[in-house]
Amino acid sequence: EPEVTQTPSHQVTQMGQEVILRCVPISNHLYFYWYRQILGQKVEFLVSFYNNEISEKSEIFDDQFSVERPDGSNFTLKIRSTKLEDSAMYFCASSEARRTGGTYNEQFFGPGTRLTVL
Amino acid sequence: GQNIDQPTEMTATEGAIVQINCTYQTSGFNGLFWYQQHAGEAPTFLSYNVLDGLEEKGRFSSFLSRSKGYSYLLLKELQMKDSASYLCAVRDGLYNFNKFYFGSGTKLNVKP
Repeated sequence: EPEVTQTPSHQVTQMGQEVILRCVPISNHLYFYWYRQILGQKVEFLVSFYNNEISEKSEIFDDQFSVERPDGSNFTLKIRSTKLEDSAMYFCASSEARRTGGTYNEQFFGPGTRLTVL
Repeated sequence: GQNIDQPTEMTATEGAIVQINCTYQTSGFNGLFWYQQHAGEAPTFLSYNVLDGLEEKGRFSSFLSRSKGYSYLLLKELQMKDSASYLCAVRDGLYNFNKFYFGSGTKLNVKP
């Protein structure tokens, strides 16, 4: 069964360093998302991406964050200068496009990347 | 602002029925989602409601009342593997535009 994959599973970095989190969405999906979940807290939406551009972003997604679809399979989240409070689990998700427009409602989540900022 | 409320924790017995409530106040509404999240794992999609009423899917059902800003997830014939957190999420946006707000989740403990 197709699944969303994410690498690495765990990333440790020093404060102020740049990190790139990688995701491979399900191959025929066209809508992509990043979420984060600080340990013990709720899932927070970061950004949605469609047709090679951001369609929505949250207040968390400031200038330190960027997303990219560098090729036909990868979807990346870059944090330019990490802060201690960026430590969290980052989930990528994807959903399929409807032929009539929009997306199906089921999002498929990847297993997550645990980011630890020291 | 956006506000989604769920009970923090619930306990139920194997074989029983449990109802997990969610109330929301969001600036826009284009559907309410329920996800299951086992500890240390990613959320998995359970159900979606955009119109008022009940959606049934096997042992799980979800209800929505848009006028009341209220939803519930009903789990029947509880099994031990149903012990997990259940997340309520609201989508704000149309078609290509998707922005989501999650509740803090309800941790369900199923006991024998």
